[in-house]
Amino acid sequence: EDQVTQSPEALRLQEGESSSLNCSYTVSGLRGLFWYRQDPGKGPEFLFTLYSAGEEKEKERLKATLTKKESFLHITAPKPEDSATYLCAVQANSSASKIIFGSGTRLSIRP
Amino acid sequence: DSGVTQTPKHLITATGQRVTLRCSPRSGDLSVYWYQQSLDQGLQFLIQYYNGEERAKGNILERFSAQQFPDLHSELNLSSLELGDSALYFCASSPDLGQDVNTEAFFGQGTRLTVV
Repeated sequence: EDQVTQSPEALRLQEGESSSLNCSYTVSGLRGLFWYRQDPGKGPEFLFTLYSAGEEKEKERLKATLTKKESFLHITAPKPEDSATYLCAVQANSSASKIIFGSGTRLSIRP
Repeated sequence: DSGVTQTPKHLITATGQRVTLRCSPRSGDLSVYWYQQSLDQGLQFLIQYYNGEERAKGNILERFSAQQFPDLHSELNLSSLELGDSALYFCASSPDLGQDVNTEAFFGQGTRLTVV
């Protein structure tokens, strides 16, 4: 069964303190791995899609990387406005192409 | 703005009642996904439709049903509501046109359902 596990559950950082969030996955043939940001009471906001091991994508202070078993979301010199829950999701390469989400990492950046 | 529209934004109803949540996908997107997010819970996949047909099913209760219409909008019907059904319900859409094509899903702002 397709599964996504994110760690840590919560992370508190000082402004400017870089760190990484982890997403481990098991899927029967990966079609895509997605990162989303979700603010409280809002819908998830799409950040990145990664398709194959070795791929990297960047957006402002965020960089996502992918291996055959896990993905990392690196955040460099974060600001308080980066505080949110970051969600990882996978889609299998099959006709039943549901997108399965992990439980997320709650990131809090202190000024 | 993701381009996905969900109505209503808020809904308060009593136990035992039935409600319908509506989703208009982004223009051109053929796939619609429904998710439930309870307080402090992750996004639980309910069901996916592709071009009017059911494609994948998650942990959707028998009291819940969905459909996608010819104009590609979708409705999620929740019946015999219980207190535990109170949650945020999200709709997402994607082009999902096949292999090697961007397939990420874009989410609406959700419908907050409160069952009292």
